Amino acid sequence: AQKVTQAQTEISVVEKEDVTLDCVYETRDTTYYLFWYKQPPSGELVFLIRRNSFDEQNEISGRYSWNFQKSTSSFNFTITASQVVDSAVYFCALSDYNNNDMRFGAGTRLTVKP
Amino acid sequence: GAVVSQHPSWVICKSGTSVKIECRSLDFQATTMFWYRQFPKQSLMLMATSNEGSKATYEQGVEKDKFLINHASLTLSTLTVTSAHPEDSSFYICSARLGTSLTDTQYFGPGTRLTVL
Repeated sequence: AQKVTQAQTEISVVEKEDVTLDCVYETRDTTYYLFWYKQPPSGELVFLIRRNSFDEQNEISGRYSWNFQKSTSSFNFTITASQVVDSAVYFCALSDYNNNDMRFGAGTRLTVKP
Repeated sequence: GAVVSQHPSWVICKSGTSVKIECRSLDFQATTMFWYRQFPKQSLMLMATSNEGSKATYEQGVEKDKFLINHASLTLSTLTVTSAHPEDSSFYICSARLGTSLTDTQYFGPGTRLTVL
């Protein structure tokens, strides 16, 4: 069975602080996809990244970076120099390689205070 | 590109009535669409997978007779909540898979907030 755990329910930081959102997953598949989505108060899911299980390279996109560690089944997300606009709920998700059966973590609510 | 819309964005209905939610892929064809439900402050739960021209595949615990899904064209899937009750109040989100490859990414609609009085 596929499972995604986001142990941090809520995180509050002050603007310009760095923050890391943790994601741990379980799967019996050898090939799979991992995702991060942002859900602002409006409710719409914003796609941030997709990573396939063969690609363990870390990725950086502006202030965002992702650390994929297959050995620990983790796919953590770091926001550098956080901003108030980063306040949202962030979901980590896992799907099989057919891109079906997408399972979401419980989400981490990030609040960035000015 | 890869825009998915939902209509309506919110709906309030009386208990016992049926509500139809539309999910459209605006600039691409989607052979597969997915329906999710999200209760307040909770995660998204996959309800069903909808394939164009065939019956939807429902997740365990989701009543197919209550949540009717129709995927009649490559750009439109509909979810009808029949005989809605207050416990059906939720945020319903659809997604559409871009392209025909099974490995293509799902793109999500903006969601429909359903409130059943």
